[in-house]
Amino acid sequence: DTGVSQDPRHKITKRGQNVTFRCDPISEHNRLYWYRQTLGQGPEFLTYFQNEAQLEKSRLLSDRFSAERPKGSFSTLEIQRTEQGDSAMYLCASSPGLGGEKLFFGSGTQLSVL
Amino acid sequence: AQSVTQPDIHITVSEGASLELRCNYSYGATPYLFWYVQSPGQGLQLLLKYFSGDTLVQGIKGFEAEFKRSQSSFNLRKPSVHWSDAAEYFCAVGVEGSARQLTFGSGTQLTVLP
Repeated sequence: DTGVSQDPRHKITKRGQNVTFRCDPISEHNRLYWYRQTLGQGPEFLTYFQNEAQLEKSRLLSDRFSAERPKGSFSTLEIQRTEQGDSAMYLCASSPGLGGEKLFFGSGTQLSVL
Repeated sequence: AQSVTQPDIHITVSEGASLELRCNYSYGATPYLFWYVQSPGQGLQLLLKYFSGDTLVQGIKGFEAEFKRSQSSFNLRKPSVHWSDAAEYFCAVGVEGSARQLTFGSGTQLTVLP
């Protein structure tokens, strides 16, 4: 069990640029989640995959955000035309199919939009 | 929609003292309730969870929590705090039958004095 890994750890970008984050879940975990956390707040749910299928999306997820999990393993989260309000920590989590209530979180990608 | 309130933004206790972190939730049906801990630079780690049954649940690191339906509360307790417990603590609620979309509180930052 190597844990959930996220890349990069930090990303600084200029407003209007596109960014992409990667998440590698714990192997054999078929559920994968993306959350966003801003300073002083708890994480907010963005989206959820079961294997390669994106089953749930939050209303927070605007059209500029897209997430994929093409082979049911790693996932990417892309933000197009970034805005300063997108600055946050983006957290990925995974869980097994059985006992899936326990989420294992990665350390996150800190995005700063200048 | 469900919601979680953690009334205490910051709590300071002395090492060896007892601890209680408050959590109040709002949800119409039977909630799934969780406590997570987040240390700087690390992902969130599940401390304990409540789904049904015994309202006093035991977790890792000597933590316990009690579900009180009449008060819509799920307070976290520890009889004797260690310096390594200093971290941010998040209470979360999931809808019945699912832990996929967790709603987190805004967190309580715990400082432990030597």
